[in-house]
Amino acid sequence: AQTVTQSQPEMSVQEAETVTLSCTYDTSESDYYLFWYKQPPSRQMILVIRQEAYKQQNATENRFSVNFQKAAKSFSLKISDSQLGDAAMYFCAYRSHTGTASKLTFGTGTRLQVTL
Amino acid sequence: DVKVTQSSRYLVKRTGEKVFLECVQDMDHENMFWYRQDPGLGLRLIYFSYDVKMKEKGDIPEGYSVSREKKERFSLILESASTNQTSMYLCASGGTRTQFFGPGTRLTVL
Repeated sequence: AQTVTQSQPEMSVQEAETVTLSCTYDTSESDYYLFWYKQPPSRQMILVIRQEAYKQQNATENRFSVNFQKAAKSFSLKISDSQLGDAAMYFCAYRSHTGTASKLTFGTGTRLQVTL
Repeated sequence: DVKVTQSSRYLVKRTGEKVFLECVQDMDHENMFWYRQDPGLGLRLIYFSYDVKMKEKGDIPEGYSVSREKKERFSLILESASTNQTSMYLCASGGTRTQFFGPGTRLTVL
């Protein structure tokens, strides 16, 4: 079974600075998807970024980018120019390429604080 | 705009009650999911459904059942609620590339 580990329960960043959230995973599969979801205080889970394992290029969405290291099974999220609205819980998630129904396996989350 | 709705934002029930949590999606997705979210544990999959009337157990199905009579609706049932089922429940629906989540139901069992 796949596992996802987020070793940083809490992180803090100053506004306009850059922060990196860590995620490692364990799998024996070669093809899969990785995700970062954001959960603000409103509790609505929002997809931040997605990475397909077969793609070598790291995914980027505006201020959000990932560092995907397949051999190391590492998938970190970098947030540049941090804004107050980035304060939230961030969850890393894994999905197998095969199998039914696209199940996600989540890490335990990292709470990000953004300070002035 | 993509929409997943859940019947209640907050719910308070008594031990032993039968509890229904409803989820509706408007994206014609075949796959729907129920997760439970607890501090320090992340999201854990309770049940999922990949088609009408089709369901599979997730990682923590004990004490729960589900129903999917129509494609757009997926219900989570607590047959006899217990205090250890006090939690946040999140519904999601998804295609092949991602899952979309509802706003969550915070259930308290007294």
